[in-house]
Amino acid sequence: QKEVEQNSGPLSVPEGAIASLNCTYSDRGSQSFFWYRQYSGKSPELIMFIYSNGDKEDGRFTAQLNKASQYVSLLIRDSQPSDSATYLCAVTNNFNKFYFGSGTKLNVKP
Amino acid sequence: EPEVTQTPSHQVTQMGQEVILRCVPISNHLYFYWYRQILGQKVEFLVSFYNNEISEKSEIFDDQFSVERPDGSNFTLKIRSTKLEDSAMYFCASVAVKSFFGQGTRLTVV
Repeated sequence: QKEVEQNSGPLSVPEGAIASLNCTYSDRGSQSFFWYRQYSGKSPELIMFIYSNGDKEDGRFTAQLNKASQYVSLLIRDSQPSDSATYLCAVTNNFNKFYFGSGTKLNVKP
Repeated sequence: EPEVTQTPSHQVTQMGQEVILRCVPISNHLYFYWYRQILGQKVEFLVSFYNNEISEKSEIFDDQFSVERPDGSNFTLKIRSTKLEDSAMYFCASVAVKSFFGQGTRLTVV
């Protein structure tokens, strides 16, 4: 069974701080990695995707991938209360099938 | 921003009845997916559809489930004989480089 593991949280950070979300995966064949944000009762919304080892930045968000260690992380700089949501990590090897983690609940306190 | 549209937003059905959930994916996308999310649980992959045929399906996607793309635009998920445990949010998604989820259909089986 291919697993994607995330700490369920909640992760609480003060407004303006950096939130660090982590995800590990079991399938070494995984090639593409996605971070989604899901507000309660809503559908997942893509934040970032990353394919290559290293960092990828998009605004306040940075995704970090380390295939050797089989982890991918998401950093949110200058966290805002509106960032409070559940963050889902998803992986795929060939776009035929995606595996999702259970998500980490982030709580940004004003 | 392109959109994936799902209908209905909420469907209540009696156990044993057939339901059809509808999705209009983004037209130039290549991969289409159905996922489900039972309340409080992780997003689970059901099936992927590429080049007008199923490319992969999960163990959840048994003979009670079927998918079609009848007219080149709509993408449907049929559940032939619903069970109580089919109650969940069902999401359609489409992928080119980015992935987009529809708003979901909340299916309640009573």
